[in-house]
Amino acid sequence: GAGVSQSPSNKVTEKGKDVELRCDPISGHTALYWYRQSLGQGLEFLIYFQGNSAPDKSGLPSDRFSAERTGGSVSTLTIQRTQQEDSAVYLCASSSRSGRTYEQYFGPGTRLTVT
Amino acid sequence: AQSVSQHNHHVILSEAASLELGCNYSYGGTVNLFWYVQYPGQHLQLLLKYFSGDPLVKGIKGFEAEFIKSKFSFNLRKPSVQWSDTAEYFCAARNNAGNMLTFGGGTRLMVKP
Repeated sequence: GAGVSQSPSNKVTEKGKDVELRCDPISGHTALYWYRQSLGQGLEFLIYFQGNSAPDKSGLPSDRFSAERTGGSVSTLTIQRTQQEDSAVYLCASSSRSGRTYEQYFGPGTRLTVT
Repeated sequence: AQSVSQHNHHVILSEAASLELGCNYSYGGTVNLFWYVQYPGQHLQLLLKYFSGDPLVKGIKGFEAEFIKSKFSFNLRKPSVQWSDTAEYFCAARNNAGNMLTFGGGTRLMVKP
């Protein structure tokens, strides 16, 4: 079946602009995660959504970062007033909460470059 | 704070050599452990996972990992690597009470033909 998809695959933006990154999880997966992969920082957790529960935002690096998940499916990560240190690959993952496996399936990522 | 450490940042091997990549975690209590692989230009894929039971876990492509609770380790092994194993490997852990994965810094493996 279809995996996790993300768009755009690449985004170049000027410092100070806002960007929106989109994630389509695997159909039926109730849990959705955003991670960031950057040089020197590795893979970092950003935010987690599970069903209709309040999201776990503990990994968001600043209040310029926000995310929403509409209808329990598609998610958008928004970065306001982008800075050069925001340049990274933003990864989305989804998982099913059935059973105990909690295996996370990752999308291809969006490579964000802030100039 | 919870953390995952991978001590080898870069590994270069010749084909048919044996591989062992180290992974240590700092969690108390029950922990779920994972190894992910990222081939050049591709997305992260799960190699294997440990939740409970037999501490020796077998994954795809001939990889295996052993959970040693006393050493807080989950090292990845493969008896004979191939050129196609060239990739970056990430160890990750999830505390049973948490939701997100905590990743190690990754190990870049290059296999020379």
